[in-house]
Amino acid sequence: EPEVTQTPSHQVTQMGQEVILRCVPISNHLYFYWYRQILGQKVEFLVSFYNNEISEKSEIFDDQFSVERPDGSNFTLKIRSTKLEDSAMYFCASSPVTPRDQPQHFGDGTRLSIL
Amino acid sequence: AQSVSQHNHHVILSEAASLELGCNYSYGGTVNLFWYVQYPGQHLQLLLKYFSGDPLVKGIKGFEAEFIKSKFSFNLRKPSVQWSDTAEYFCAVNPLGGYQKVTFGTGTKLQVIP
Repeated sequence: EPEVTQTPSHQVTQMGQEVILRCVPISNHLYFYWYRQILGQKVEFLVSFYNNEISEKSEIFDDQFSVERPDGSNFTLKIRSTKLEDSAMYFCASSPVTPRDQPQHFGDGTRLSIL
Repeated sequence: AQSVSQHNHHVILSEAASLELGCNYSYGGTVNLFWYVQYPGQHLQLLLKYFSGDPLVKGIKGFEAEFIKSKFSFNLRKPSVQWSDTAEYFCAVNPLGGYQKVTFGTGTKLQVIP
């Protein structure tokens, strides 16, 4: 079964640095998402992306964050000037536009540790 | 906006015991409902989903869930748990359409004692 793949599995970054998390969604999916899970907390929606633009974003997704589909296969989350509180597990997900009764498929996640 | 409540944060059961994890949601319209499982060190996996039709949904590994619209509930059940069911379970909802954001509950950690 096709999977959403995320790299790296673990990223350690100094506070203030920029980090890019990468995702390869399932090939025929057109909706892409980022979620995050701070240790001990629930999974939270960050942003959804369709047709090369953001379709919805949460209040967490401020100017520090950006997403991009740089080519036909990758979907990236960039975090500028990272803060300690950005430490979390970041999940990418994708879903098809049709059929509509399909759930989102999640990747394994990238554990981001800010020092 | 939708929200999801999971009543049990940590459940400890012996093997062969029956399991029921509570989930209630709040949303004014029609929703899709999900249970995801996260085994230690692994990614979120879909356990089962409800989009429409029979409110009793059967998923993988012997799990089932029942959608009770009048109670806004979608409780997860398993008649007899195994040690390998030790994991965190997340109830989730998104508005009808499938491609809209998923809202997760806070999760229930299940520990099954051999």
